[in-house]
Amino acid sequence: GQQLNQSPQSMFIQEGEDVSMNCTSSSIFNTWLWYKQDPGEGPVLLIALYKAGELTSNGRLTAQFGITRKDSFLNISASIPSDVGIYFCAGTNFGNEKLTFGTGTRLTIIP
Amino acid sequence: EAQVTQNPRYLITVTGKKLTVTCSQNMNHEYMSWYRQDPGLGLRQIYYSMNVEVTDKGDVPEGYKVSRKEKRNFPLILESPSPNQTSLYFCASSVAGGGTGELFFGEGSRLTVL
Repeated sequence: GQQLNQSPQSMFIQEGEDVSMNCTSSSIFNTWLWYKQDPGEGPVLLIALYKAGELTSNGRLTAQFGITRKDSFLNISASIPSDVGIYFCAGTNFGNEKLTFGTGTRLTIIP
Repeated sequence: EAQVTQNPRYLITVTGKKLTVTCSQNMNHEYMSWYRQDPGLGLRQIYYSMNVEVTDKGDVPEGYKVSRKEKRNFPLILESPSPNQTSLYFCASSVAGGGTGELFFGEGSRLTVL
């Protein structure tokens, strides 16, 4: 089955830095989502995007739905220790029960 | 509290010994799904269910079975586990099908098959 490619695979940053990650697909989606998995827990939805070109914010998080509908981006501003975890993108289409997840970006904050 | 509950959270078993991982949700969701998470591979869908008695294969269904006899429960069955099924498993549910994308996940079940 298809998987989405996320980049980078891992990031090591210092507290206060901004973070950028992206997700690319070989096929088009009409919905993009970003989930975060805290250590030892299940993923939790952060942001959902439903329209090409859409830019949506949730606190310090901003996500964009790429114009081509084959990619999406997530930015985190002024990172804090609780941002540590694995970030997953996911894509789907209305009427399709299948949600395809990315390979994940692991974020670590260096003290 | 709205939640998806999986049991067991941790399990070590041996090759060939049948096991079941239970999943229950209290949100009256129609859609439920099982995923496995492996390093570098992200989350891959095993099976999903749109409603009671309706199940379908995901991307990696080999070696697994599921059933959906009640709306709230969606157990994952490994009839004859093998070491390549060692993984972290997540159950998830959604109000209106995976197409909405807004899944609620359980806390995960870490399975080791020796």
